[in-house]
Amino acid sequence: DQQVKQNSPSLSVQEGRISILNCDYTNSMFDYFLWYKKYPAEGPTFLISISSIKDKNEDGRFTVFLNKSAKHLSLHIVPSQPGDSAVYFCAASLGGANNLFFGTGTRLTVIP
Amino acid sequence: GAVVSQHPSRVICKSGTSVKIECRSLDFQATTMFWYRQFPKKSLMLMATSNEGSKATYEQGVEKDKFLINHASLTLSTLTVTSAHPEDSSFYICSARPAAGTAYNSPLHFGNGTRLTVT
Repeated sequence: DQQVKQNSPSLSVQEGRISILNCDYTNSMFDYFLWYKKYPAEGPTFLISISSIKDKNEDGRFTVFLNKSAKHLSLHIVPSQPGDSAVYFCAASLGGANNLFFGTGTRLTVIP
Repeated sequence: GAVVSQHPSRVICKSGTSVKIECRSLDFQATTMFWYRQFPKKSLMLMATSNEGSKATYEQGVEKDKFLINHASLTLSTLTVTSAHPEDSSFYICSARPAAGTAYNSPLHFGNGTRLTVT
């Protein structure tokens, strides 16, 4: 049972424009959410996170939004750069547990 | 930043043989490491939690006798795939979280993964 879902397997965006990656979850008890970026043949790299007590967290070009009522989070990248091209995974954790529940990933391609 | 090294990055083995994958935290101590598996076009699935000095905790459906985990020190965990079969072919990734002085929700740091192909 996939508790964290990324319904868009791929996304293409022009350089300089905004990239919006979406993630939905089913378990309302999740209290911490993370976004990871992954290049081919490499492990995921932590990008940004948000606690369930917040609805927005910003770090440079990256902003994560959390809508608890909709059980939805999104990652905004602006402006998008070609180096942002990678697979992005959202993940959620539950009550301090070590287990992270990952989405299936969205492949972002930023076109120069 | 925290670095996790995983070795080998790629391995091909024959059915019936065993393969050992190492995961090292290079600049921090990790009392707990995690082993994930990723199937093609699927999400990362936690296989087991590796605890230094004690037995690993396996997720439901993961065969502990097939996937042997040893956490011999605060910087090293190993995953041994025993009597490998073609269906064990996958991408295995380890991760770790710095132990001391960090909040429970500090992000995991991942190794670069190991592509296992069993022929």
